[in-house]
Amino acid sequence: GENVEQHPSTLSVQEGDSAVIKCTYSDSASNYFPWYKQELGKRPQLIIDIRSNVGEKKDQRIAVTLNKTAKHFSLHITETQPEDSAVYFCAAFTSGTYKYIFGTGTRLKVLA
Amino acid sequence: ETGVTQSPTHLIKTRGQQVTLRCSSQSGHNTVSWYQQALGQGPQFIFQYYREEENGRGNFPPRFSGLQFPNYSSELNVNALELDDSALYLCASRPLAGTDNEQFFGPGTRLTVL
Repeated sequence: GENVEQHPSTLSVQEGDSAVIKCTYSDSASNYFPWYKQELGKRPQLIIDIRSNVGEKKDQRIAVTLNKTAKHFSLHITETQPEDSAVYFCAAFTSGTYKYIFGTGTRLKVLA
Repeated sequence: ETGVTQSPTHLIKTRGQQVTLRCSSQSGHNTVSWYQQALGQGPQFIFQYYREEENGRGNFPPRFSGLQFPNYSSELNVNALELDDSALYLCASRPLAGTDNEQFFGPGTRLTVL
């Protein structure tokens, strides 16, 4: 079946450093790739997304890159701040099956 | 916060019982998806409803069933509860099935099965 692998499972960085989270998806028909931030006890919230016809997207300190050939996409957070500490999930969506498949999450800790 | 609401917030049941969870979608959204999020895991897709019909399903047994109503609100029903059903259940709504529109999550219902 379809799956999304996400690495690393935990990531600790010093405040001001960059953080990179990587995901690999299995369904070549996937065409939309959102990233969610989930704080403890709260709902997942979309922080950035990318569609299959785009290779890179940036929004202030956050960027996402997509390599369709490798079926690989990554989240990049620059100038990390303590409030960036949370669990981050990637997901792959396939229009034909209407399914979002989520990665297993990365717990990011930004150390002040 | 999104306009998606869920009830109840928390629920405790015993093995073998049945449970119904409810979700009100954001205004203008006609597609609702349900997810199970076990502790420390990512959300697992259960199924999706569009215009009152299920049109996508993940790897969940038939004892997980749902409904969508004409106002696009939705229910998730789980029969014969098992201990492993303990999880956060999230619903998410979006405007149109089959597109890659952003989906908006509700706050979730935390189900504990004893």
